[in-house]
Amino acid sequence: DTGVSQDPRHKITKRGQNVTFRCDPISEHNRLYWYRQTLGQGPEFLTYFQNEAQLEKSRLLSDRFSAERPKGSFSTLEIQRTEQGDSAMYLCASSLDGTSETYEQYFGPGTRLTVT
Amino acid sequence: AQKITQTQPGMFVQEKEAVTLDCTYDTSDQSYGLFWYKQPSSGEMIFLIYQGSYDEQNATEGRYSLNFQKARKSANLVISASQLGDSAMYFCAMGTMDTGRRALTFGSGTRLQVQP
Repeated sequence: DTGVSQDPRHKITKRGQNVTFRCDPISEHNRLYWYRQTLGQGPEFLTYFQNEAQLEKSRLLSDRFSAERPKGSFSTLEIQRTEQGDSAMYLCASSLDGTSETYEQYFGPGTRLTVT
Repeated sequence: AQKITQTQPGMFVQEKEAVTLDCTYDTSDQSYGLFWYKQPSSGEMIFLIYQGSYDEQNATEGRYSLNFQKARKSANLVISASQLGDSAMYFCAMGTMDTGRRALTFGSGTRLQVQP
């Protein structure tokens, strides 16, 4: 399977704990995005990378959130001191940008986080 | 700023009939892209179709077509010959092409149920 993969698929954690999610994009894609989706809503943008550079962070990304994409391959999203409001589906997407005017993003299966 | 509005929280359609899912958008960008994604109960966002703001013809992909009316700022998705497997959440999204930013703004979605 050459699609976007995410790990873990589900994570249950206690409030105050740190969690880290991993995303492996489609191998030739140079852009990688993180979104958050709460129940009954569409995904909301968090941050994106072009290769290893983090180009934009949403206001939704508080200081407790940090994302990295070392070497421009996989990415990690860490949440420190989790709060119940962090419970959501965290979606990763990738795209190949720069070679055509279309830039559809391909999504992974998501990581569902539950903070108790 | 960009905004996507999907006014139909839920829709029902009989198998083999066509259905239209509404999407209106608001943006100050001159050039932009419009996307539709399908999200089955498994959670993964599946890219369906793309329309660029300067495309003169409506986009089509198999049973999916996008009814793009630029003056009305609408980008409705038409699914022909509905199948039971089409039952899912459908999200309309847009992204600017005026800058290098590629983050997508999503609507709140429409839940489609196909009845046998």
